[in-house]
Amino acid sequence: GESVGLHLPTLSVQEGDNSIINCAYSNSASDYFIWYKQESGKGPQFIIDIRSNMDKRQGQRVTVLLNKTVKHLSLQIAATQPGDSAVYFCAENARSDSNYQLIWGAGTKLIIKP
Amino acid sequence: NAGVTQTPKFRVLKTGQSMTLLCAQDMNHEYMYWYRQDPGMGLRLIHYSVGEGTTAKGEVPDGYNVSRLKKQNFLLGLESAAPSQTSVYFCASSYVFDSLNTEAFFGQGTRLTVV
Repeated sequence: GESVGLHLPTLSVQEGDNSIINCAYSNSASDYFIWYKQESGKGPQFIIDIRSNMDKRQGQRVTVLLNKTVKHLSLQIAATQPGDSAVYFCAENARSDSNYQLIWGAGTKLIIKP
Repeated sequence: NAGVTQTPKFRVLKTGQSMTLLCAQDMNHEYMYWYRQDPGMGLRLIHYSVGEGTTAKGEVPDGYNVSRLKKQNFLLGLESAAPSQTSVYFCASSYVFDSLNTEAFFGQGTRLTVV
């Protein structure tokens, strides 16, 4: 799962299996959450988002689950493929002086084993 | 379809030198952002802009300045570079930043090394 520090959490998954990447957020007032994927040498790319009035949202092969009670977010990737290898970041939408700012987690590196 | 373009892609600076990173977007986005990414960490917001002519401080603004003279451009300046500013810098843009639509589009990044 997500953590702050120099050592990036890593998740190794067999190709074809499902992946679950976890994230704990800190601000109970955050009302919007996003998952980004960052491939090596590239900028982050939007995957899926969810608002706080939802507890589940599905995209293509991805599902995001939100548990506001314990301030936990997860990203599920179905039938993991080699192209899913990347660092995955969750971000929460935190209000600051009436402007929203995204607070990013440290990321989880997903490794796909053949 | 360029999206968000950052220049340069790589740069090595000596301590005390100055430089400007340029970000350009062709999506007519109102909001633009500058982030830095250090090894093993997430992105940290340096400065952002909610429209042409406006800028605001993010989480780690010290040692940086920005300008948004044109809607499509957002410049990040380092007046006197320090080794602690060695990082990968990402620019991003979005239409608006509210709870309804916050998808940001990122550039490819600028790898800056200060020696």
